[in-house]
Order: sequence, then structure tokens, then C-alpha cells
Amino acid sequence: EVQLVESGGGLVQPGGSLKLSCVASGFTFSGSDIHWVRQASGKGLEWVGHIRSKANSYATVYAASVKGRFTISRDDSRNTAFVQMNSLKTEDTALYYCTRHKSSVGSDSWGQGTLVTVSS
Amino acid sequence: DIQLTQSPSFLSASVGDRVTITCRASQGVSSYLAWYQQKPGKAPKLLIYAASTLQSGVPSRFSGSGSGTEFTLTISSLQPEDFATYYCQQLNSSPLTFGGGTKVEIK
Repeated sequence: EVQLVESGGGLVQPGGSLKLSCVASGFTFSGSDIHWVRQASGKGLEWVGHIRSKANSYATVYAASVKGRFTISRDDSRNTAFVQMNSLKTEDTALYYCTRHKSSVGSDSWGQGTLVTVSS
Repeated sequence: DIQLTQSPSFLSASVGDRVTITCRASQGVSSYLAWYQQKPGKAPKLLIYAASTLQSGVPSRFSGSGSGTEFTLTISSLQPEDFATYYCQQLNSSPLTFGGGTKVEIK
């Protein structure tokens, strides 16, 4: 069974940092692209960014709203993806999902999400 | 960036109704479009990819069509479990933007 489990969310002050993790199981993690998507309470989905597999040189792409502040990485030996979030703003408050993404198909598996709250 | 506009943003329908949701892209995305269903408190679920291909396990009452800039998601006969919010996502180019969502509620 494909499973993705996010962790690391919490309350942080504006300007602070947080690192989210996404542990995967049930599929070949090393060959998969991982995307991060967030959703503010009562709002729609916002694509945050992705990291591709080793075969695609671990390429990363970010949404304009997080570029320069967020860094997505992965450790294939631990079947884990990460997003390091720096210089956090109140507008970064959201539920953060990691997903397994297949090119031309979309995100076919999602975690349950981890909540990030940026507030003083 | 490619903008996706969904319409309507909200619709009220009855069990058994035929429902159609539209997703319009600000520029052509070929057939690189996916549809997701999200129920309250749950993660989104992939319904359709490549504009019209049903994801495994998704009931056949769901269908998708379109290419280029205009796409539709149709539910042929709305069931109680279909009341949810639906999102389109373009997969043609980064950033992989989502539409604003369509909430389907019970009339």
C-alpha cells in the first residue's frame, strides 16, 4: 500500500524556520517525483514545489510565492523528502501535503498533511 | 504562469443530477490536465488525468473532456458520496497550478 506521512509542522513566529518531512512507503521512492502542495484553512490548493528523482537529476522547481525561502530535498536511503522553510510569513500558514507525482498523470497519492501556523 | 479558472465556484445539486464543472486555462495545456476530489478533512484524491482518463478505482459516472484551454468534468448521476470540492490542475508547465475549486453541495 502506498503511504506518505508528513511531520514537522507546528507554530512558528514570523521570520522563523521549520523543516517538514515526508516519509514514504509502499512504492519505489527513489524513482518517484515528490511534490508539496499546501492549503490554507477554508481555501484552495496551492502547489508549492517539487523535487524530481535521481534519474532527473533531483531537479527542483518552486512556486514564486516560496522561491528563495523554501528548499525541497530528499534522502532516498531513508525514503524521505523534506521542505526547509525559512523566513516564514503569516501567509505561509497552511496544511502542507506531500504527494507522489507522475508526469502527465498528476499526484496519485497524498499524505494526510502537517499543519504549519505562522503567528506571533 | 498558467492560470486556471473553474466555474462555477459553487453549485447546489440533487442526488441523480448530471453535473458539469468547467476549467479554463489562460494558455493551452494540451491534454495535461488532472481533476481531483476533496472531501472535508481529507486529502485530495486523483479522479481523472490526461483530461479524460479515469484513475483506477474511480466510478464510471465521472468523466472528463477537453484539450487546449477548455476542459470539463462531468458527473453523470450525482451520488451522496460525490458531494465534495473539485479541483483541476494543469501539468503542462511549472508552476503546476490548480484551479480555485468547485464546491458541490446538496440541494
